[in-house]
Amino acid sequence: EAQVTQNPRYLITVTGKKLTVTCSQNMNHEYMSWYRQDPGLGLRQIYYSMNVEVTDKGDVPEGYKVSRKEKRNFPLILESPSPNQTSLYFCASSFRIPGTDTQYFGPGTRLTVL
Amino acid sequence: AQSVTQLGSHVSVSEGALVLLRCNYSSSVPPYLFWYVQYPNQGLQLLLKYTSAATLVKGINGFEAEFKKSETSFHLTKPSAHMSDAAEYFCAVRFDRGSTLGRLYFGRGTQLTVWP
Repeated sequence: EAQVTQNPRYLITVTGKKLTVTCSQNMNHEYMSWYRQDPGLGLRQIYYSMNVEVTDKGDVPEGYKVSRKEKRNFPLILESPSPNQTSLYFCASSFRIPGTDTQYFGPGTRLTVL
Repeated sequence: AQSVTQLGSHVSVSEGALVLLRCNYSSSVPPYLFWYVQYPNQGLQLLLKYTSAATLVKGINGFEAEFKKSETSFHLTKPSAHMSDAAEYFCAVRFDRGSTLGRLYFGRGTQLTVWP
């Protein structure tokens, strides 16, 4: 089954404790992206990747890191999480940039930073 | 600045009534435009997209949207609402420019409630 998977789905952590949210797709997509969703703010793009070893900042990259060492995986790293990073995070992928191809979203990761 | 605006954070309609969700963008160059739907506790699903072909775009579940360049709008409509349409709807835009080629901008969302 074609899908985008994220792990973990739920995470409660404390300020400053490094964490990684994994994202994997099995559709051989070149484009992958991370978003955060906050009430009243919609989705905001954190980082995106046009292909392996190619990443770019979105609207809200501060406090986050990403890497794209292989096509299927695009982990989101929070080196020192803070409470303002409490949010619902979505990973998404598409063959190429959205518009040319349909973007598929993962189920989301709800992160709480205490 | 490039942006996308959804007018109305909440819209309520009766079952069978017309659904109209508004989206405006700011750009001098026609962008790629999308409407996504999010059901409770789920990820986003593409409803439809405009990619510079026909200005009237038909999507899934009976939804359609019309691109109006003169109004910089891409409003989403459905002639007859169904209870199952209750969800949050997001308009999104991609501006086809070199430095922002991969960036996708979302509106703040419109929560649609359908009354029986």
